[in-house]
Amino acid sequence: GAGVSQTPSNKVTEKGKYVELRCDPISGHTALYWYRQSLGQGPEFLIYFQGTGAADDSGLPNDRFFAVRPEGSVSTLKIQRTERGDSAVYLCASSPGKVSPLHFGNGTRLTVT
Amino acid sequence: SQKIEQNSEALNIQEGKTATLTCNYTNYSPAYLQWYRQDPGRGPVFLLLIRENEKEKRKERLKVTFDTTLKQSLFHITASQPADSATYLCASQGSLNRDDKIIFGKGTRLHILP
Repeated sequence: GAGVSQTPSNKVTEKGKYVELRCDPISGHTALYWYRQSLGQGPEFLIYFQGTGAADDSGLPNDRFFAVRPEGSVSTLKIQRTERGDSAVYLCASSPGKVSPLHFGNGTRLTVT
Repeated sequence: SQKIEQNSEALNIQEGKTATLTCNYTNYSPAYLQWYRQDPGRGPVFLLLIRENEKEKRKERLKVTFDTTLKQSLFHITASQPADSATYLCASQGSLNRDDKIIFGKGTRLHILP
């Protein structure tokens, strides 16, 4: 069946611009996670949703980062006034519930020039 | 704060030997640990999950242990093959009651040498 889909796969933007990254989770998965991964590092937690609500957003670096999941399915990670330090691979994962594996997409590679 | 540490950044193992990777955690007691494999340019792929009340879990050539006294999990690949070369990530969640987030270690890059 279909896995987690992330679009776009690559995004190049200029410093100061606004970007949106989209995640389509596996149908029926209630939990959705966003991570950021830099080269040679593990995934860094940003935010996770249970249904429509953000259960934990403690990993968002600052108020330029925001994520929504209005209908409990698709999620969008929004970054305002992008900075070069935001360049990384942004990974999305979904899970059917507690004590369940995460199913990852292949990420969006964001490059801020 | 909760921390997961993985043994080393890169590990070279001769083909056919057993590869052993280490994951240590501090400042909390995870309800379970997970291991993932990540290939370049791809998202992590789930391999095994072990709960705090389980000592050992196996799946084909893979084995994972969980020692709550040492605060450590070991991940073993027996009869290693060049195709096992990848980065392996350890992940955990804290208390299920608190619905804690899942955090990852930095990962260990494994190279199986032919």
